[in-house]
Amino acid sequence: EDKVVQSPLSLVVHEGDTVTLNCSYEVTNFRSLLWYKQEKKAPTFLFMLTSSGIEKKSGRLSSILDKKELFSILNITATQTGDSAVYLCAVLGPGTYKYIFGTGTRLKVLA
Amino acid sequence: NAGVMQNPRHLVRRRGQEARLRCSPMKGHSHVYWYRQLPEEGLKFMVYLQKENIIDESGMPKERFSAEFPKEGPSILRIQQVVRGDSAAYFCASSPSTGTVSYNEQFFGPGTRLTVL
Repeated sequence: EDKVVQSPLSLVVHEGDTVTLNCSYEVTNFRSLLWYKQEKKAPTFLFMLTSSGIEKKSGRLSSILDKKELFSILNITATQTGDSAVYLCAVLGPGTYKYIFGTGTRLKVLA
Repeated sequence: NAGVMQNPRHLVRRRGQEARLRCSPMKGHSHVYWYRQLPEEGLKFMVYLQKENIIDESGMPKERFSAEFPKEGPSILRIQQVVRGDSAAYFCASSPSTGTVSYNEQFFGPGTRLTVL
């Protein structure tokens, strides 16, 4: 059965810390991996990764994919309280539309 | 350009009642997806629709649940005779016509939080 596992389940840090969120997957016919940020509303898109070893960056956030070891990491540097959210990892498997989501990592950044 | 709209945002129903959740995709999007998120769990795919067609409903319970996306108007997710276990957040996402595109970003709505008493 296809699955996506995220770790840790939750994390509490202080402003300015750097965090690394993990996502591992077992999905047949892998196509792409996506990261979303979910606050008390719609998940908002962060990154889509399709190729190994190519880092995607957006401000203080960056992500990379390892298709050989079947995982991705999401890094957030110099965290701020506004980074507090649930970070979801999703893998697009067979077909072009069926996202398989992990349970998410709940990040809380303390002032 | 408005994003994906869902209503109501919160819905309370008693056991045995019907719940109707609506989703209006982004302008220009003709593909709609419904996901369910139970407390402390990730989003689970339920159904994928195009205008007037159900493409994949493999994630939707066989009984009491149905979905439609008519030619005119929003997509509707309908749950008949709700039970407490149906309490969850239901998210809708949309994407443009894919053509031959293999990788397809889905844009999510704010969700409807259904509470069954």
